[in-house]
Amino acid sequence: GQQLNQSPQSMFIQEGEDVSMNCTSSSIFNTWLWYKQEPGEGPVLLIALYKAGELTSNGRLTAQFGITRKDSFLNISASIPSDVGIYFCAGPNDAGNMLTFGGGTRLMVKP
Amino acid sequence: DVKVTQSSRYLVKRTGEKVFLECVQDMDHENMFWYRQDPGLGLRLIYFSYDVKMKEKGDIPEGYSVSREKKERFSLILESASTNQTSMYLCASSLGRGLYGYTFGSGTRLTVV
Repeated sequence: GQQLNQSPQSMFIQEGEDVSMNCTSSSIFNTWLWYKQEPGEGPVLLIALYKAGELTSNGRLTAQFGITRKDSFLNISASIPSDVGIYFCAGPNDAGNMLTFGGGTRLMVKP
Repeated sequence: DVKVTQSSRYLVKRTGEKVFLECVQDMDHENMFWYRQDPGLGLRLIYFSYDVKMKEKGDIPEGYSVSREKKERFSLILESASTNQTSMYLCASSLGRGLYGYTFGSGTRLTVV
């Protein structure tokens, strides 16, 4: 089955800095999803991408569907303390009927 | 809003105990999922269900079973808990066969001692 590799595994940044993280797949995807899990909560969908090359924003968050269809990127501009959490990428499994998740990027923001 | 409720936030159980983790959703979703979350490994699917009394194995079903007697409730069962099952367990539900509408519960952190 697919494997999703996220990097970095964790980041510790200063408030106000921009953040970049990425996710690579062992196979081609036709959908990329990005979730955020805040401490003590379940993951919540941030952004969904459906087309190679697509760039989609949600506030200070911008995600891109890589043109090879094997990768995706999430950027956060001007980070704030409430950006703290674990960010997961996800895509369809081989059968296309459920999600496979990456290992997550843990983001910590120093005020 | 869809709500997925997991009955316990924290559980501590002894090795060999039978453990039940309960999950209830209130929006009539057909699909329900149990994931296990471990640092660096992301979310790994244990079992899922597309309908009442229906269950399918996910990626890591060994040591677990599930029960779905009613549409809104999906239970994860550890027949004989072991220390390597210490983890965060997340339940999710979704409508239809879409990939985007997963709603997760807040998780149950299980410690097996």
